[in-house]
Amino acid sequence: KNQVEQSPQSLIILEGKNCTLQCNYTVSPFSNLRWYKQDTGRGPVSLTIMTFSENTKSNGRYTATLDADTKQSSLHITASQLSDSASYICVVGASGGYNKLIFGAGTRLAVHP
Amino acid sequence: DADVTQTPRNRITKTGKRIMLECSQTKGHDRMYWYRQDPGLGLQLIYYSFDVKDINKGEISDGYSVSRQAQAKFSLSLESAIPNQTALYFCATSDAGPERDTQYFGPGTRLTVL
Repeated sequence: KNQVEQSPQSLIILEGKNCTLQCNYTVSPFSNLRWYKQDTGRGPVSLTIMTFSENTKSNGRYTATLDADTKQSSLHITASQLSDSASYICVVGASGGYNKLIFGAGTRLAVHP
Repeated sequence: DADVTQTPRNRITKTGKRIMLECSQTKGHDRMYWYRQDPGLGLQLIYYSFDVKDINKGEISDGYSVSRQAQAKFSLSLESAIPNQTALYFCATSDAGPERDTQYFGPGTRLTVL
């Protein structure tokens, strides 16, 4: 069964600190992995996307890594800001058909001043 | 203006009522999707459409129907709403080219079925 699991479920950090969110997946055949940011009351917005051959991708203060051998990904946030408070969703694409997307449940991050 | 809009943003209804949620997009994308989001769960695909004449069931289509009225419009109907359909509903779009896996989401509709 295709699954995407994220940890931790929630996280509280102080403004200016770094943090790392984890994603483990069992999706086959693997096509790509992306991280989305979802602000409260808004739809998800894509942050990064990585294919099988990529092991890191950055978008400003966000850096995603991918280890396709262990089927793990992480999202590292550097020098956190209050506006980083949101849910971060790991999404894995399975190739074939319409390229089905499997969504993780997300990690809820709260950045406190 | 937002590229993907959804109406209504919030709706409270009663069991057995018919409800329609609407989605419009100005991105010019051919592909449109409807998802539901429940607390503690990942988004689940209800229906998707690759063009005006194409409708496909997703993982959880029972109790729902859709209509693709035009390239820019994709509506979701609950024929007879039930309480376990209380959820946050998202519409999304994507193009069919190399970036086809990048989906752009609307702001969501919060539906409560009493």
